[in-house]
Amino acid sequence: DIQMTQSPSSLSASVGDRVTITCRASQSISAHLNWYQQKPGKVPKLLIYTASNLQSGVPSRFSGSGSGTDFTLTISSLQPEDFATYYCQQTFTMTYVFGQGTKVEIK
Amino acid sequence: EGQLVQSGAQVKEPGESLKISCRASGYSFTSYWMGWVRQMPGKGLEWMGIIYAGDSDTRYSPSFQGQVTISVDKSISTAFLQWNSLKASDTAMYYCATRGITGVDALDIWGQGTMVTVS
Repeated sequence: DIQMTQSPSSLSASVGDRVTITCRASQSISAHLNWYQQKPGKVPKLLIYTASNLQSGVPSRFSGSGSGTDFTLTISSLQPEDFATYYCQQTFTMTYVFGQGTKVEIK
Repeated sequence: EGQLVQSGAQVKEPGESLKISCRASGYSFTSYWMGWVRQMPGKGLEWMGIIYAGDSDTRYSPSFQGQVTISVDKSISTAFLQWNSLKASDTAMYYCATRGITGVDALDIWGQGTMVTVS
């Protein structure tokens, strides 16, 4: 089975900071990588699909890149509403494994 | 636009059976896959499995194979997640989510979640 590993597990950042989260797959998944945001007590929300495509309605400060095994989610200028946990997920195989999550906290 | 409405919170005892539901509306139910995701208290998202509503083709995560059953009833546009014998470790929030109804290869529409407590 494909394993997905995110880093870091958590980070502290200030409003306005540029934030980068990494996701690594245990084997090549081409560009079949999605990113979700989950705020406490809320339903997960799709941010980025197929590695680099912004889901409709998602602010342009979010971007994704990568292919093969290494992927990145970048928030160009962190906003107060962006403090949340972020998950990557592969859809290369039908076992849609998630990464363990990265919690973005206020510094 | 598509919407998923899940059944309400459940409190059960160990050993009991349970079937929770996810009712779809606003899209062609039988044309898409529906997945289930577990989130234990304070923990991350775990992929459980996915079913194609058109023909009930089902793929389970190895971690959940044999532990749960995923099914659909096309007549009422509803997907189900079922346990035959609950354990305390099944205590979690369970989400259903569609794959691709907005044209993307991802879980794009999510239900509100069903909290299951086994105690």
